[in-house]
Amino acid sequence: DAGVTQSPTHLIKTRGQQVTLRCSPKSGHDTVSWYQQALGQGPQFIFQYYEEEERQRGNFPDRFSGHQFPNYSSELNVNALLLGDSALYLCASTERLSDTQYFGPGTRLTVL
Amino acid sequence: GENVEQHPSTLSVQEGDSAVIKCTYSDSASNYFPWYKQELGKGPQLIIDIRSNVGEKKDQRIAVTLNKTAKHFSLHITETQPEDSAVYFCAASIYSGYSTLTFGKGTMLLVSP
Repeated sequence: DAGVTQSPTHLIKTRGQQVTLRCSPKSGHDTVSWYQQALGQGPQFIFQYYEEEERQRGNFPDRFSGHQFPNYSSELNVNALLLGDSALYLCASTERLSDTQYFGPGTRLTVL
Repeated sequence: GENVEQHPSTLSVQEGDSAVIKCTYSDSASNYFPWYKQELGKGPQLIIDIRSNVGEKKDQRIAVTLNKTAKHFSLHITETQPEDSAVYFCAASIYSGYSTLTFGKGTMLLVSP
């Protein structure tokens, strides 16, 4: 049984560009959450998707947007990249009505 | 919103010693408290969790305790091994059909042979 998968592994962008990160949840999981982890910090909640809609959102600007597809996979989009957006972006999936979140390996985004 | 404080930021122990990491949370409505281990270049791995209806939970060398009155919870690792070296994060959430996690800043645990 595959765990949470994310792509790409690493990404380098320049300021002002746009980026799309992808996540496939564990089999049987229908909820996807995205987190940003800056170097030396704990993950910070960006938003959560359930039934193809954003269910909850953390304190992140509108430049951060997402999508969930009918197969429960998800994308995170970041527009107008800033240097401060450089971080490890983590996806976590959850089974319906569960509180346990399982994380993927993350995508390391570097903004130059 | 919820705020989670974690101490210490670094912890060095000798192999075989015990290690304790402590976290406090601010929102008394929080009812789910997981602990994650993150190795270099990897995503966080769930190692143990506890819910507010339980005071203590143990899984082999790892245990977690919860004090709801004081709003703090702790991770205890006994008989530490070099492979326990990693960054450990505590988190808290309010589960109401779904939950989002608020993390502490992490503790780097170094176990020397």
